Amino acid sequence: SQTIHQWPATLVQPVGSPLSLECTVEGTSNPNLYWYRQAAGRGLQLLFYSVGIGQISSEVPQNLSASRPQDRQFILSSKKLLLSDSGFYLCAWSVDRDYEQYFGPGTRLTVT
Amino acid sequence: QKEVEQNSGPLSVPEGAIASLNCTYSDRGSQSFFWYRQYSGKSPELIMFIYSNGDKEDGRFTAQLNKASQYVSLLIRDSQPSDSATYLCAVMPQNTGNQFYFGTGTSLTVIP
Repeated sequence: SQTIHQWPATLVQPVGSPLSLECTVEGTSNPNLYWYRQAAGRGLQLLFYSVGIGQISSEVPQNLSASRPQDRQFILSSKKLLLSDSGFYLCAWSVDRDYEQYFGPGTRLTVT
Repeated sequence: QKEVEQNSGPLSVPEGAIASLNCTYSDRGSQSFFWYRQYSGKSPELIMFIYSNGDKEDGRFTAQLNKASQYVSLLIRDSQPSDSATYLCAVMPQNTGNQFYFGTGTSLTVIP
């Protein structure tokens, strides 16, 4: 069976500090991978998605970036965090575009 | 107009009753529809997906799709207190690459 991991689970970072969130998927090959952000009381916002190694599409212009160095690894980064970057960051995977997405446990980020 | 709209609720139903959650979408060419459950502080969990007009049943859950009217609904029979959560509707429009559109969710409370 497939599992998806995210770490860290929670993070408190000062404004201007860097960020690195990691997501890994087990039990599947060549998944589509996604990064979402859910701000308090708001819906899910797609940030990035990837259909393969090194292939990243950005949906929202911001100070965040994503990378996919390995088939089942997806990383979300920032060089300098803003207060508005606070939120619940979710990684998800799917077998293909039109199929259901499965979410990891999430990382709750608070920028102070 | 938002791509996916849901009543934010809260929706309250007594234990044992049927809970009815509704979702409308704007892209008439949408092909894939999903319902997720999200407990407070947790990541979304896939409940059901539906691709064809009509009803799809899975245990106590029934998804209903009407493409002509552009709505999808979720019925929860014999509602239990453990069903208390926020329910997210997601739609894969026809020509948006890999982007699901999520509604902002309906909060459901099942009263014992």
